Amino acid sequence: RKEVEQDPGPFNVPEGATVAFICTYSNSASQSFFWYRQDCRKEPKLLMSVYSSGNEDGRFTAQLNRASQYISLLIRDSKLSDSATYLCVANTGGFKTIFGAGTRLFVKA
Amino acid sequence: GAGVSQSPSNKVTEKGKDVELRCDPISGHTALYWYRQSLGQGLEFLIYFQGNSAPDKSGLPSDRFSAERTGGSVSTLTIQRTQQEDSAVYLCASSLSGDPSSGYTFGSGTRLTVV
Repeated sequence: RKEVEQDPGPFNVPEGATVAFICTYSNSASQSFFWYRQDCRKEPKLLMSVYSSGNEDGRFTAQLNRASQYISLLIRDSKLSDSATYLCVANTGGFKTIFGAGTRLFVKA
Repeated sequence: GAGVSQSPSNKVTEKGKDVELRCDPISGHTALYWYRQSLGQGLEFLIYFQGNSAPDKSGLPSDRFSAERTGGSVSTLTIQRTQQEDSAVYLCASSLSGDPSSGYTFGSGTRLTVV
C-alpha cells in the first residue's frame, strides 16, 4: 500500500462547479500535510498547508481528519485556470516528505 | 538567482552512458532535495542535503545513482550506466530550512530519456 494515495481522476467539471479531492495516508505518525499544484509539464508549486483546524484560502479549503487519516481539498466556483494536477503531501517529521501521485482536474467552459 | 535552476532541461542519452544533472538552488536555502517523477506517477524522493550535514541517501534506487553538493550550494546528481527505467523527470527543490512548512521551491526539472 502506498503511503499517500489519491484518486488519479481525471475529474472533469464545468466552470463554477465545486469539486473535492480526498487523499489518504497510511502513516499515523505523519505530522504535517500540504497540497501542491502541478501544471502540465511544469514543476509542482505549493498551494496550501493543511492544518488540524482546517485552512481556507479564497475558493480553496483544506481539511485534515486524523482519525480517518485523510486530508481533503475543496475548490469552489471552479475556474478554467484551476485545471491542473493536485498533489497531496504528507510529512512524518524532518525532511521525509511523501508526495502522492496526484489527482488531475479539468475545468471546462 | 530568483529561483531554482536546473540544467540541462532535456537530456537524451544512450543506454549505458553516464549523465550528470545540475541543480542551482535559491541563494540562502540550506536544504536541497532531489526527486524523480515518472510519467503519471508521484514524486519519488531520492536524496536530501541539509547544510553541512551528511546527506540522506535513503531514496537512491541503486548504487548507480550518486549526488554531491559543493560548498552548500550547487548540487550534481550523477547516474552511471543509465538504463531505460531511469527515464523520468528529475526535479530539484530547495527550502529555507529542512522544515517542509516553509514550502519547497522546485526547479523546472531535467527530462531524461534513455534510448
